[in-house]
Amino acid sequence: QSVLTQPPSVSAAPGQKVTISCSGSSSNIGNNFVSWYQHLPGTAPKLLIYDNNKRPSGIPDRFSGSKSGTSATLGITGLQTGEEADYYCGAWDGSLSAFVFGTGTKVTVL
Amino acid sequence: EVQLVESGGGLVQPGGSLRLSCAASGFTFSTYWMHWVRQAPGKGLEWVANINQDGSERYYVDSAKGRFIISRDNAKNSLYLQMDSLRVEDTAVYYCVRAIAVTDSYWGQGTLVTVSS
Repeated sequence: QSVLTQPPSVSAAPGQKVTISCSGSSSNIGNNFVSWYQHLPGTAPKLLIYDNNKRPSGIPDRFSGSKSGTSATLGITGLQTGEEADYYCGAWDGSLSAFVFGTGTKVTVL
Repeated sequence: EVQLVESGGGLVQPGGSLRLSCAASGFTFSTYWMHWVRQAPGKGLEWVANINQDGSERYYVDSAKGRFIISRDNAKNSLYLQMDSLRVEDTAVYYCVRAIAVTDSYWGQGTLVTVSS
C-alpha cells in the first residue's frame, strides 16, 4: 500500500489545464524531493519533474511541479490527447529507507 | 544512445526463483545508482530495490527483504535481481531504471514475471 496518495482520476478537454495532487508525510515529501512520472500505455514510464519543480531536458514547460509541506502538485497546461496516461509522484521515504510512488492518477482528455 | 535491456522474465511456480538481468549501454554504468521498479497487472508502480555505484549500499521494499537480492557487475555493465521464494503477488512487469529521480533518469522497456502454478 502506497504512502503517497493521489486522486484516482482527473479529466479535462484538450487545451485545458489539470492539476494532480500528491499527499505524503514528513518522512517522505516533507523532507525529500518529489518527482513525477508519466506512464503512457504500452511504454516505459518517463520522468517529467525532479527535485520538486525541475524538468529534464525535452520536457515541455507545460508541465510544472510544486511542493508545500507534505504535499506536492503536478500541473499540465495545454493538455493534449497524446497525454492520456497514468501519472505518479515519487519520493524517498527516510523512515522506510525506500523510494515510494504515489497511488497513480489517470488523466483523461475529454 | 542509452539502452537498458531487461531479460530473464518468464513463468515460474510459487516458491521458485528467477534472476533478472539488465544490460546497460550508451553511458558510464558505474557512475549511476540503479533501481528495479515493478508494475503488477492493473496496479500502480512499485519500487523494488536500488543499489549504489559500487554496490556497497542496497535498499529494498519491505516485501522484497529476505527474498530478493539486487547486484551489479560494473565490468559487464549489468544489473541483476535475484528473486527467490516467489509469490503470486510478485507477478509484474519489472523495469530496470537508471537514476530514478534525477535529470538523466532512464527506464528500460521491462520484462514480465509471472508466478503461477
